[in-house]
Amino acid sequence: GAGVSQTPSNKVTEKGKYVELRCDPISGHTALYWYRQSLGQGPEFLIYFQGTGAADDSGLPNDRFFAVRPEGSVSTLKIQRTERGDSAVYLCASSSDPGQPQHFGDGTRLSIL
Amino acid sequence: TQLLEQSPQFLSIQEGENLTVYCNSSSVFSSLQWYRQEPGEGPVLLVTVVTGGEVKKLKRLTFQFGDARKDSSLHITAAQPGDTGLYLCAGSTPGTYKYIFGTGTRLKVLA
Repeated sequence: GAGVSQTPSNKVTEKGKYVELRCDPISGHTALYWYRQSLGQGPEFLIYFQGTGAADDSGLPNDRFFAVRPEGSVSTLKIQRTERGDSAVYLCASSSDPGQPQHFGDGTRLSIL
Repeated sequence: TQLLEQSPQFLSIQEGENLTVYCNSSSVFSSLQWYRQEPGEGPVLLVTVVTGGEVKKLKRLTFQFGDARKDSSLHITAAQPGDTGLYLCAGSTPGTYKYIFGTGTRLKVLA
């Protein structure tokens, strides 16, 4: 069956640009998580959704980061005015319900030049 | 700020050796998960432990959750080259479904 799909797999852009990262969760999964992983580190929690609403966005580093999940399925992580420090792998995970096992996508590798 | 410290950070051993990876925190977690991650891929869940003192076995891997639910260990018996990867622990804070990941242990098993 289809797993969690993230697009694009790689994104290279210039400092100051706007980027959107997409996550297609496993069909029927109500919970969706976004993480950021820097080289050599564990994933860092950003935000999680239960259905369409953001249940916990305490990990978003600042107001340049925003995420949506308008129909309770696909989610988009949006980063405005990108900075070199935003370079990382952005991981998405989904689970059937909050607290159930998370299934991760392979991530989007974002490079800000 | 809740932190999960893993030790060791790096481990290189010969095939057939045993090893233990530790995951420690000063905070209590309602559950703790162990993942393995390969380069270029997302983490894959190995096990979830929820009860203090709980021990779970997955083939040659043994996972233990501390009695106070603040720490955990992963023991691998007779390591094989296929065990090579980044091992991550992750804890969920009581009352939330926010997961905090550990710093990771990078394991390399040499044939």
